[in-house]
Amino acid sequence: KNEVEQSPQNLTAQEGEFITINCSYSVGISALHWLQQHPGGGIVSLFMLSSGKKKHGRLIATINIQEKHSSLHITASHPRDSAVYICAVQAASKLTFGTGTRLQVTL
Amino acid sequence: DAMVIQNPRYQVTQFGKPVTLSCSQTLNHNVMYWYQQKSSQAPKLLFHYYDKDFNNEADTPDNFQSRRPNTSFCFLDIRSPGLGDAAMYLCATSGQGTGTSGSYEQYFGPGTRLTVT
Repeated sequence: KNEVEQSPQNLTAQEGEFITINCSYSVGISALHWLQQHPGGGIVSLFMLSSGKKKHGRLIATINIQEKHSSLHITASHPRDSAVYICAVQAASKLTFGTGTRLQVTL
Repeated sequence: DAMVIQNPRYQVTQFGKPVTLSCSQTLNHNVMYWYQQKSSQAPKLLFHYYDKDFNNEADTPDNFQSRRPNTSFCFLDIRSPGLGDAAMYLCATSGQGTGTSGSYEQYFGPGTRLTVT
């Protein structure tokens, strides 16, 4: 079993839909990161969380430390949101990555 | 803008021919990381530098070496590339300070896609 599990693995949505991506982890962490990777591209850090909730534009990330679970929400999704979203947990200076959720938003 | 820069973005090398990938940063971060990402897989940490201290992952092949001549630059050397080393190589930096247990964001470069022929 992976230390970081994401669901779903693949997600297709229509423009405007509300999207949720889930991440569960089984190890002790100091923080959880949500990252975005466009096809063939580098990685962009979206959020780093150690508790509670963060919001940036149409993106919202939450974490429940007791349940070892985090969610990434995208409101009013747009085709430019199409990318792979990766959850990564941090312990000391190292990140352990989930396998990613491939999101496709269609018109 | 402060950033993490990787050169080249695309590198083609021949089987067994040494290759060096470059990473530079203007963030003045003391931690620098090299990751290998194969197609449809999660990034895999190869090693990281905490200032000048080199930290190698246990399963990183000896074929992979790294140098960090100063705070701004870090190099990944692949001594004898094999076909299985074809991947995207990502450099990242973090401002995590010495001895702290706090967490800092990692800033990623755009990656270098390595092809081995």
